[in-house]
Amino acid sequence: KAGVTQTPRYLIKTRGQQVTLSCSPISGHRSVSWYQQTPGQGLQFLFEYFSETQRNKGNFPGRFSGRQFSNSRSEMNVSTLELGDSALYLCASSPGPSGGLGYGYTFGSGTRLTVV
Amino acid sequence: AQSVTQPDIHITVSEGASLELRCNYSYGATPYLFWYVQSPGQGLQLLLKYFSGDTLVQGIKGFEAEFKRSQSSFNLRKPSVHWSDAAEYFCAVGRSGNTPLVFGKGTRLSVIA
Repeated sequence: KAGVTQTPRYLIKTRGQQVTLSCSPISGHRSVSWYQQTPGQGLQFLFEYFSETQRNKGNFPGRFSGRQFSNSRSEMNVSTLELGDSALYLCASSPGPSGGLGYGYTFGSGTRLTVV
Repeated sequence: AQSVTQPDIHITVSEGASLELRCNYSYGATPYLFWYVQSPGQGLQLLLKYFSGDTLVQGIKGFEAEFKRSQSSFNLRKPSVHWSDAAEYFCAVGRSGNTPLVFGKGTRLSVIA
């Protein structure tokens, strides 16, 4: 069965622009979580969606937002990009909510965002 | 809040040698514990997980981990490392309720001939 699909794989944007990243979870999975990965901070939780509802949000500014559609696909948006937003953005899906407890996450390959 | 510490940033082992990656967690009750592996440019792959029961957990690729409540540890082991095991390894902790997984900073494993 198909894994978690993230698009695009690579993205280069200019400071001040906005960007939208997409994640298609494994078929049947209703929970999607987003993480930002940087060399200095490691994996930091952005938000989690389950059945189109945001269940959790990490400690990120309001420039970072997300949503989930009825087919469980999720998008995250970053507005007014800053250099520090350069990172690997990882999406993870699981059948159930709350961090995939009891199921474990399945991660996508990520979107590498570079802000110049 | 729960937290995860991976004390070793980078470890180098010889191919065929044994491996132990350390993970310590901070949480008041028995947490849910995970080990993930990440190859360069890729996402994270689940190696194994612990929820309850037998404290020695077997995973994929010949890895195992042991939960030690008294030491708040969940160390990952492999008896004989292969060059293809070179990657970054992440320990993660979760708990029941409405909270996401928290990841350690990772340990980068290098394998030399």
